[in-house]
Amino acid sequence: DIQMTQSPSSLSASVGDRVTITCRASQSISNYLNWYQQRPGKAPAILIYAASSLRSGVPSRFSGSGSGTDFTLTISSLQPEDFATYYCQQSYSTPTFGPGTKVDIK
Amino acid sequence: EVQLVESGGGLVQPGGSLRLSCAASGFSFSTYWMSWVRQAPGKGLEWVANIKYDGSEKHYVDSVKGRFTISRDNAKNSLYLQMNSLRGEDTAVYYCARERVGVGGSSLQYWGQGTLVTVSS
Repeated sequence: DIQMTQSPSSLSASVGDRVTITCRASQSISNYLNWYQQRPGKAPAILIYAASSLRSGVPSRFSGSGSGTDFTLTISSLQPEDFATYYCQQSYSTPTFGPGTKVDIK
Repeated sequence: EVQLVESGGGLVQPGGSLRLSCAASGFSFSTYWMSWVRQAPGKGLEWVANIKYDGSEKHYVDSVKGRFTISRDNAKNSLYLQMNSLRGEDTAVYYCARERVGVGGSSLQYWGQGTLVTVSS
């Protein structure tokens, strides 16, 4: 199975900050990488698919990049509703998720 | 509007069985791959199983192979997960999700609200 890691595991940030979350795959997965946001008590929601494609309706402050084994999710200007946990997920083989990155208020 | 509504969760003893259902509406159910994903209390997400739009392909995470069976009834716009030989580590919220399959692989574009399965004596 392909293992996914994320860093950091948590971070504290302020509204307006630029936030970057990194995801690494244990082997090359091309661009078969998705990003999800999960707010407390809610179901996950997709933000980015195929590494860099923004899901319709998702604010443009979210962006994704990377290919192969290293990927990045960037929030250009953090908003109050963005405080949540973020997961990466590969679909190159049997799907696996990263452990998550919790973004909370500084 | 796409809606996915799970049901069937509850408390079950170790070794017991449970059948989860997911009622789909607002889209052409018979043309989409569907998945089950679970989340243990306070933990991360784990993909469990998926099924092709016509039911001809099914895939499972290793930890549930031989115990769980995914199925669908396209006439009823419904997805199912039959869970047998349940263990404590199966305790989780179970989500059904609609897949998007295309360039760049598959992604889980729509999710239900989840149903809680608790395995305990």
